[in-house]
Amino acid sequence: EIVLTQSPGTLSLSPGERATLSCRASQSVSSSYLAWYQQKPGQAPRLLIYGASSRATGIPDRFSGSGSGTEFTLTISRLEPEDFAVFYCQHYGSSLWTFGQGTKVEIK
Amino acid sequence: QLQLQESGPGLVKPSETLSLTCTVSGGSINSNNYYWGWIRQPPGKGLEWIGNIYYSGSTYYNPSLKSRVTISLDTSKNQFSLKLSSVTAADTAVYYCARMVSVYYFDYWGQGTLVTVSS
Repeated sequence: EIVLTQSPGTLSLSPGERATLSCRASQSVSSSYLAWYQQKPGQAPRLLIYGASSRATGIPDRFSGSGSGTEFTLTISRLEPEDFAVFYCQHYGSSLWTFGQGTKVEIK
Repeated sequence: QLQLQESGPGLVKPSETLSLTCTVSGGSINSNNYYWGWIRQPPGKGLEWIGNIYYSGSTYYNPSLKSRVTISLDTSKNQFSLKLSSVTAADTAVYYCARMVSVYYFDYWGQGTLVTVSS
């Protein structure tokens, strides 16, 4: 079973700054099956990125995804006030769907 | 616009069976393009995949829950359902239903429903 480990646990940044979130897989995975979600308090998760680097419909271009193998990154180029939330990576493989434990991006 | 809505009891007693239904509107669940899934989130914690079902009825379950989970479809009502048996306090969570695209990512989610396991 593949384990996804996200880091850091919490990222404290100011609006306008760049956020870099990491998702590490316990073994090499296909980038085709790596997605990122954003979740705000009291809301359902929202799909941001699929296929490691493709933005979902309506997602601003300040959000970008990259990576391959065991290392994947979600980057928010310039944080807007509405971007502060918890972010999860998610992977599919061998009929198992797994989520990382999440990274909270909070206002500094 | 596709919408998903979870429904079911908000309180379940320990050892009983949790039953939830997801009603899909704005699209048909009887489509070979999508899977339909359940994900849960204990209070203050992360997301846990529970299981998925395909329009054909094929199911996939989280191995850690497999012995207690059943997911089924009712195409006549455009609904799919979750049953989780022998619940304990550890099953207290917000339960989400979602549509899965391309076998692996969830693009539409319900708003979630909190289920508390308590006597």
